[in-house]
Amino acid sequence: DTAVSQTPKYLVTQMGNDKSIKCEQNLGHDTMYWYKQDSKKFLKIMFSYNNKELIINETVPNRFSPKSPDKAHLNLHINSLELGDSAVYFCASSQVEDEQYFGPGTRLTVT
Amino acid sequence: GNSVTQMEGPVTLSEEAFLTINCTYTATGYPSLFWYVQYPGEGLQLLLKATKADDKGSNKGFEATYRKETTSFHLEKGSVQVSDSAVYFCALSDRNQGGKLIFGQGTELSVKP
Repeated sequence: DTAVSQTPKYLVTQMGNDKSIKCEQNLGHDTMYWYKQDSKKFLKIMFSYNNKELIINETVPNRFSPKSPDKAHLNLHINSLELGDSAVYFCASSQVEDEQYFGPGTRLTVT
Repeated sequence: GNSVTQMEGPVTLSEEAFLTINCTYTATGYPSLFWYVQYPGEGLQLLLKATKADDKGSNKGFEATYRKETTSFHLEKGSVQVSDSAVYFCALSDRNQGGKLIFGQGTELSVKP
């Protein structure tokens, strides 16, 4: 069984489009995260939810909107995609203060 | 603010060589420290962790010791294998910052037969 899953694995789209990435975890964790990995492989936190409540919102453009329908799911919606949004997006989950388990990533390419 | 600095890569070693990847951190509180590994085309996997000073994390022959006096968490392995080729990330987590991970820039390791 996959612990943290993301869909889609690859996403190719044009500038200006709106897209969503879905994340699900079956570990029973309370906290979920979104990270962005840039072309130089640098990883940076974007958002974190604890039991459906937003607890971390880094300086991310408001074109990015996370949504957590329940504590097992955390989706990321991106409006008006730009070239600079091209990256790999990772979802992760954890129990508070414990190690994080990462999904396989979604490679977003904006053309 | 909190930060993590890793030695720059890429690092290229021959099989069975000794590996050290340096990692130092800056933190205002008492963070937990982690090493994650990313194999090509995959997500991140936890390699090892340490939650307080002088703790040693170990897994798959890799070790790292939480050194508060030098604010370091260097990764070591006595004998690397080709299958260890990957990108290694040092990270810290501060409970006062919602548990988010702050990563170093990653160090790419290539092991040649």
